[in-house]
Amino acid sequence: DVVMTQSPLSLPVTLGQPASISCRSSQSLVYSDGNTYLNWFQQRPGQSPRRLIYKVSNRDSGVPDRFSGSGSGTDFTLKISRVEAEDVGVYYCMQGTHWPVTFGQGTKVEIK
Amino acid sequence: QVQLQESGPGLVKPSETLSLTCTVSGGSISSYYWSWIRQPPGKGLEWIGYIYYSGSTNYNPSLKSRVTISVDTSKNQFSLKLSSVTAADTAVYYCARHDYDILTGPGVWGQGTLVTVSS
Repeated sequence: DVVMTQSPLSLPVTLGQPASISCRSSQSLVYSDGNTYLNWFQQRPGQSPRRLIYKVSNRDSGVPDRFSGSGSGTDFTLKISRVEAEDVGVYYCMQGTHWPVTFGQGTKVEIK
Repeated sequence: QVQLQESGPGLVKPSETLSLTCTVSGGSISSYYWSWIRQPPGKGLEWIGYIYYSGSTNYNPSLKSRVTISVDTSKNQFSLKLSSVTAADTAVYYCARHDYDILTGPGVWGQGTLVTVSS
């Protein structure tokens, strides 16, 4: 299975400040169709996961533009330009290129 | 707006079969892929498997020998069966819909249902 490694696992952030989460895969996530299927999910406390970003950098409908995704190959980043209180939760990267689909361990974002 | 609701027993005995159903409302089960994903308490996410509305399936190899996912288009439902459960199968089980394709992950999730395996 492809191993997804996130860092840091815990991220205390001051409101209004930026935050960055890294996700690295044990294999390239470039699919045979040329796309890279690296997706990001947010799980707020007590809620179901919610997809924020698909195919590295495409924001889902309704996702604030302070969230952005970037990266290529095996190295990816989720950035929050200015953290708001509603951003508290656990963030997971997920690769869909190789079966079985696998998730990172999660990064817990909290307010300092 | 499509909504997903998991249902089934919250407590299952070891060695028995866990059975859950996901009811889709506000939309048709046709023309989409549907998944089951689980999350042990305080831990991360694990993909169990998915089914296309036509009935084709794909399971996580780590669970494949114990998993069956099926669909009932007439009831707008799909189901999960996991046999020979142990305490390690205790988790919140989510059903989910893929609005683009399997590879981009689910865009719509149910609220999840906690299943505890215990005698």
